[in-house]
Amino acid sequence: AQKVTQAQTEISVVEKEDVTLDCVYETRDTTYYLFWYKQPPSGELVFLIRRNSFDEQNEISGRYSWNFQKSTSSFNFTITASQVVDSAVYFCALGRRQGGSEKLVFGKGTKLTVNP
Amino acid sequence: DTEVTQTPKHLVMGMTNKKSLKCEQHMGHRAMYWYKQKAKKPPELMFVYSYEKLSINESVPSRFSPECPNSSLLNLHLHALQPEDSALYLCASSQDVLAGTVYEQYFGPGTRLTVT
Repeated sequence: AQKVTQAQTEISVVEKEDVTLDCVYETRDTTYYLFWYKQPPSGELVFLIRRNSFDEQNEISGRYSWNFQKSTSSFNFTITASQVVDSAVYFCALGRRQGGSEKLVFGKGTKLTVNP
Repeated sequence: DTEVTQTPKHLVMGMTNKKSLKCEQHMGHRAMYWYKQKAKKPPELMFVYSYEKLSINESVPSRFSPECPNSSLLNLHLHALQPEDSALYLCASSQDVLAGTVYEQYFGPGTRLTVT
């Protein structure tokens, strides 16, 4: 079974705080892909990062960083020095192929509110 | 340019109406997707087109009819919808060029549909 769990439903922080969004996945596939998307109030999902199961190297992009640990089946996302513009719902997703096509299994999302 | 466009942005329709949602991408992507998203929920996959052929139908009711006229365009024809079909409908596209690989999907801004 393919499953993504984002245990934090909502998180509220004050601007400039660091915040980590948790993502735990389940899969029996040996090759799989993990993604993070941001959905601001406007509604459009914005792609943030893609990782394959063979690349456990952590990634940093500006204030964003990702920690991929296969041993714990986790792919956590940290925002450093949060800003009000980071307020959004963040989805973690597991990517796999089905019937020759790509398919994403989304977690339920974590709503992040950054207060000024 | 990683842009997916969708029209209209908002749509209100009666249960006896017939309407269509449109999606367009000019990234040369070979896979296109329709998702339905209810409030406070993750996107739910409806259909996948790969190389202009329908490859995944997630048991969607026949009142939703997808069409892929060419590799850049994706339509969703709506007929005899129910109030519970009111949701944000998102279109996405991805490269899908290498078997065994799952690429990131780029999403449009969505069409907010209300069925009265």
